[in-house]
Amino acid sequence: NAGVTQTPKFQVLKTGQSMTLQCAQDMNHNSMYWYRQDPGMGLRLIYYSASEGTTDKGEVPNGYNVSRLNKREFSLRLESAAPSQTSVYFCASRTTGGGNQPQHFGDGTRLSIL
Amino acid sequence: GESVGLHLPTLSVQEGDNSIINCAYSNSASDYFIWYKQESGKGPQFIIDIRSNMDKRQGQRVTVLLNKTVKHLSLQIAATQPGDSAVYFCAETSSWNAGNMLTFGGGTRLMVKP
Repeated sequence: NAGVTQTPKFQVLKTGQSMTLQCAQDMNHNSMYWYRQDPGMGLRLIYYSASEGTTDKGEVPNGYNVSRLNKREFSLRLESAAPSQTSVYFCASRTTGGGNQPQHFGDGTRLSIL
Repeated sequence: GESVGLHLPTLSVQEGDNSIINCAYSNSASDYFIWYKQESGKGPQFIIDIRSNMDKRQGQRVTVLLNKTVKHLSLQIAATQPGDSAVYFCAETSSWNAGNMLTFGGGTRLMVKP
């Protein structure tokens, strides 16, 4: 049982390049999330998908797009990367059964944009 | 917007001592709180959660206390071990929050001295 798997683990891009970050979960969770984590700060929500077929903006959505490909997979796309998007990106998932439940995280993608 | 707030201190404790990590939140509508542990190079790992109808919840060597009057949350770790060294984040959400979006604090680094 792998939990939440993110690929790639590391990536270096040039300004203006595009990139898709992949996330897959094997826990049959309904909701999935994308966060970014910058030094000295907590995690900030970029986009989320409450259930398959829906996506919504979080706190910092500008410059990103997402696709909920199926129940397992939720991808994050940078269409034209900017240095301000250098960060560590985390994907999370959560079951929606049984009231409030915690989100479970992958180990992140470390993205540097030059 | 309202947010969970943590200063970003470093808490240094001796192995075997108890640790207390504090968190203040400002959203009075929050009714679900989570503590996460993040080790270097890893994603946040769920430790323990608490709902607003409780004041205290215990896990294995960890206790979370919730004081709704002063909007304060704490994580107590008993008999702290070197493996407890990490950054700890609190997070909060509300049952009314579409998608169960979490708001994270900035984190506290716990260092355990052998």
